[in-house]
Amino acid sequence: SQTIHQWPATLVQPVGSPLSLECTVEGTSNPNLYWYRQAAGRGLQLLFYSVGIGQISSEVPQNLSASRPQDRQFILSSKKLLLSDSGFYLCAWSVLAGVIHEQYFGPGTRLTVT
Amino acid sequence: DQQVKQNSPSLSVQEGRISILNCDYTNSMFDYFLWYKKYPAEGPTFLISISSIKDKNEDGRFTVFLNKSAKHLSLHIVPSQPGDSAVYFCAASRQGAQKLVFGQGTRLTINP
Repeated sequence: SQTIHQWPATLVQPVGSPLSLECTVEGTSNPNLYWYRQAAGRGLQLLFYSVGIGQISSEVPQNLSASRPQDRQFILSSKKLLLSDSGFYLCAWSVLAGVIHEQYFGPGTRLTVT
Repeated sequence: DQQVKQNSPSLSVQEGRISILNCDYTNSMFDYFLWYKKYPAEGPTFLISISSIKDKNEDGRFTVFLNKSAKHLSLHIVPSQPGDSAVYFCAASRQGAQKLVFGQGTRLTINP
């Protein structure tokens, strides 16, 4: 069966510090991978998605970036965090190029920028 | 431009009664719809989906209805249980798209 891991679970970082969140998927090959953010009291905002190694699509302009160095690894980064980057970050995967549309989410990372 | 809208931010229902969560969409190209359930500090979990070739899909206590002419879908939970208290997101997709479009979510509270 497929599992998705995210770490760390919680993170408190000062403004201006760098960020690296990691997501890995097990039990599947060539997945689509996604990064979402849920700000306090808000819905799910798609930040980035990837259909393959090195292929990143950005949905919103921001000071975050994403990379996919391996098939089942997706990394969310920032060089300098802003207060507005606080939120709950979720990684998700889905079957690549499928008629199946379901996405499966990881446990999330709670980021607080102070 | 909010293509998927959940106009009720919250809903309170008595245990044992029916919960009805609503979702509207604007993009007529959407042909697949999903509902997710999310507990605090956890990732959303997939609940149920429906293709545009159907108008109803049922899975246990959960039924999703799709009205294509009205661009409206709803999730019915019968009977509602305390463990159903969560935030529910509807999402939509279209053929060939690699991503889902989510609504803002509705917080469902089941009262004993």
